[in-house]
Amino acid sequence: NAGVTQTPKFQVLKTGQSMTLQCAQDMNHEYMSWYRQDPGMGLRLIHYSVGAGITDQGEVPNGYNVSRSTTEDFPLRLLSAAPSQTSVYFCASSYRQGGRPDDEQYFGPGTRLTVT
Amino acid sequence: DAKTTQPPSMDCAEGRAANLPCNHSTISGNEYVYWYRQIHSQGPQYIIHGLKNNETNEMASLIITEDRKSSTLILPHATLRDTAVYYCIVRVVRGAGSYQLTFGKGTKLSVIP
Repeated sequence: NAGVTQTPKFQVLKTGQSMTLQCAQDMNHEYMSWYRQDPGMGLRLIHYSVGAGITDQGEVPNGYNVSRSTTEDFPLRLLSAAPSQTSVYFCASSYRQGGRPDDEQYFGPGTRLTVT
Repeated sequence: DAKTTQPPSMDCAEGRAANLPCNHSTISGNEYVYWYRQIHSQGPQYIIHGLKNNETNEMASLIITEDRKSSTLILPHATLRDTAVYYCIVRVVRGAGSYQLTFGKGTKLSVIP
């Protein structure tokens, strides 16, 4: 298994541009999520999905959209990039939503985004 | 949501046990304690989790106090590759069984040769 993959690894955008960060997993995980990590801070949840066709907002959803048309893919869209969105973005997945407490989350390698 | 408090940094000599403390005094009865770590520039990695009993796996041991208000992650024989930021997280359950992990700033563990 490739696990959780993210593309691109690095990206530079100009203010106002849009782009999509890709995330895919081949473990048939139902739960997927996006986090951002800023220097000196922990990870903050942006959006998450408990299965295909179902998404919900996390702690910092503004400026980001998500969709989940398949179990494998969970892209994150930046609608109009702003310098405040400069960050490292991590995608994660796990077997089941909530109920089973032994669900560990598997994280991708991250996308480093700079908005100028 | 239960919050966690961890020291910002710790040092440990290579080959010795690393004991990382975490306070979670407002934890509720059905919330689990999870530990993750993040090695520089990589995605976080799951280590261990527990509810109230002590737990051990191939990576570490988790000791939870009887009142569940604090816990300690133990790396029995720290190596240089264990240098990382360690996050203590209390699992939050929201909505229809979905959950999120709230990462704080963690503890930066430096293993010294």
